[in-house]
Amino acid sequence: DVKVTQSSRYLVKRTGEKVFLECVQDMDHENMFWYRQDPGLGLRLIYFSYDVKMKEKGDIPEGYSVSREKKERFSLILESASTNQTSMYLCASSTVGGPYGYTFGSGTRLTVV
Amino acid sequence: AQSVTQLDSQVPVFEEAPVELRCNYSSSVSVYLFWYVQYPNQGLQLLLKYLSGSTLVKGINGFEAEFNKSQTSFHLRKPSVHISDTAEYFCAVRPGGSGGSNYKLTFGKGTLLTVNP
Repeated sequence: DVKVTQSSRYLVKRTGEKVFLECVQDMDHENMFWYRQDPGLGLRLIYFSYDVKMKEKGDIPEGYSVSREKKERFSLILESASTNQTSMYLCASSTVGGPYGYTFGSGTRLTVV
Repeated sequence: AQSVTQLDSQVPVFEEAPVELRCNYSSSVSVYLFWYVQYPNQGLQLLLKYLSGSTLVKGINGFEAEFNKSQTSFHLRKPSVHISDTAEYFCAVRPGGSGGSNYKLTFGKGTLLTVNP
């Protein structure tokens, strides 16, 4: 069964910590995305990548960075976590060459204390 | 750029009643449209999509949606809902082209459908 796997379901981190959220897909998809989901705000795009080592800022990139060294893995990095980054983080992937939708991971609920 | 407006943040209905979840979009280019569902504590899964052709699109779990270009709408419907349909539903849009940022989906804020017995 093809899927997108996020390494942690729940995370609790302290303010100021460097946080890594990992996402791996096994579908050989070119595109990968990081969204954060907050009640009443829907999904907001943080960063996306359409190729290895390529990245583009989404709508809310401040306070985040990303890394894509291999096609299957896309990491979201919080350089210095803050309480306003407490959220649900969703990773997704999609292929090129067709109007396909995304395949989503199950999400990581991050709490920064 | 594209934008999506889901007109209702919450929709409560009784079991076996029909339901419509409303979605309007804005775009200066042709678009692809999607509906996703999120069950509690899970990621999103694709319900259906509109690419081109017939304006009535059928998806999984008995849902369907109708694309209306003149009204820039893509409303989701189900003739008879079940308790298990309780979830949050997201409408999304992306440009119809290919390459780079054309693969980026813009989501609405979601509609929480609650089906009561």
